[in-house]
Amino acid sequence: EDKVVQSPLSLVVHEGDTVTLNCSYEVTNFRSLLWYKQEKKAPTFLFMLTSSGIEKKSGRLSSILDKKELFSILNITATQTGDSAVYLCAVRNTDKLIFGTGTRLQVFP
Amino acid sequence: NAGVTQTPKFQVLKTGQSMTLQCAQDMNHNSMYWYRQDPGMGLRLIYYSASEGTTDKGEVPNGYNVSRLNKREFSLRLESAAPSQTSVYFCASITRAGSYNEQFFGPGTRLTVL
Repeated sequence: EDKVVQSPLSLVVHEGDTVTLNCSYEVTNFRSLLWYKQEKKAPTFLFMLTSSGIEKKSGRLSSILDKKELFSILNITATQTGDSAVYLCAVRNTDKLIFGTGTRLQVFP
Repeated sequence: NAGVTQTPKFQVLKTGQSMTLQCAQDMNHNSMYWYRQDPGMGLRLIYYSASEGTTDKGEVPNGYNVSRLNKREFSLRLESAAPSQTSVYFCASITRAGSYNEQFFGPGTRLTVL
């Protein structure tokens, strides 16, 4: 059965800290891995990763994929209170997205 | 462009009642999806439509039916609501099957079944 597992489930940090969110997967016919940010509404797209070892970067956020070990990490440096959200990892196979349960990040001033 | 719109935003049903959740997109996207999100469960795919005229089951289709009315609209129907269907429902669309780089989500419908 295809599955996507995220860890930790929850994380509480102070502003300025750096965090690493993990996503491991077992999915047949892997095509890509995606990260989303979800605040109190619909998920918004962050990154799509298809190749191992190539870092995607957007401001203070970055992500990398390891297709051999079947995992991805999402890094957030110099966290801000606006980074507080649930971060979702999803893996695409042939025609569907399989989501993990998410990591809830809380950033306090 | 409104993007992906969903109605209603909130709904309370009694067990056994039926209702239809509406979803529409104005981006000329081919593929549309219905997900449900429960606390601690992430997003689970209910049904999807890879193109106009086709629909397929996702991970949790039991208790639901869908209709791809045209390219713009994809509705989700609960024929006999059950408390286990209490959830937040998201509709999503992408431009073609496989282009998941930016799947657009609607704002969600919060459904409570008593």
